[in-house]
Amino acid sequence: DIQMTQSPSSLSASVGDRVIIICRASQGIRSDLAWYQQKPGKAPKRLIFAASSLQSGVPSRFSGSGSGTEFTLTISTLQPEDFATYYCLQHDSYPLTFGGGTKVEIK
Amino acid sequence: ELQLVESGGGLVQPGGSLRLSCAASGFIFDSYWMGWVRQAPGKGLEWVANINQHGSEKYYVDSVKGRFTISRDNAKNSVYLQMSDLRAEDAAVYYCARTGSIWDFWGQGTLVTVSS
Repeated sequence: DIQMTQSPSSLSASVGDRVIIICRASQGIRSDLAWYQQKPGKAPKRLIFAASSLQSGVPSRFSGSGSGTEFTLTISTLQPEDFATYYCLQHDSYPLTFGGGTKVEIK
Repeated sequence: ELQLVESGGGLVQPGGSLRLSCAASGFIFDSYWMGWVRQAPGKGLEWVANINQHGSEKYYVDSVKGRFTISRDNAKNSVYLQMSDLRAEDAAVYYCARTGSIWDFWGQGTLVTVSS
């Protein structure tokens, strides 16, 4: 099984900060990775697909990069509405696996 | 407008059964893989099962194999999750999602509680 190690598990940041979240796969997954944002009581919302493609309608301050085993989600300038939990998902091979999540909190 | 609406959640005793449904609209349902993901209270996301467009390929996380069955009815634009021998650790919000290579859209979820 492919393990997705996401870091950090939580972070405190201020509006305007640059935030970087990392997902590492235990083996290569090509670019079969998506990033999601989840707010309390809501379904996850896709931000990035194919590791680096921005979902239509998602602000350009979100970006994704990486391939193979290391992937990053970057929020260039954190906005108040970005405080949420973020997850990566590998859909390269079964069983599909999510990272453990990163909770972005207000400093 | 693309919609996925789950139903069928509720309170069930350990060892019991439940059938979740997901009604899809706003897209060509039989062109897409579909799946289920769950989230235990206060925990992260866990993929549960996937099914291909025709229902001929099905995949499950190990922890539900032999107990859960995913199916679909393309005539009704619906996907289902039949859950049996439910355990406390199956308690979660269950989300239906459009999966395959895109994983782009999720329903709002239905809550399953397993308790005596």
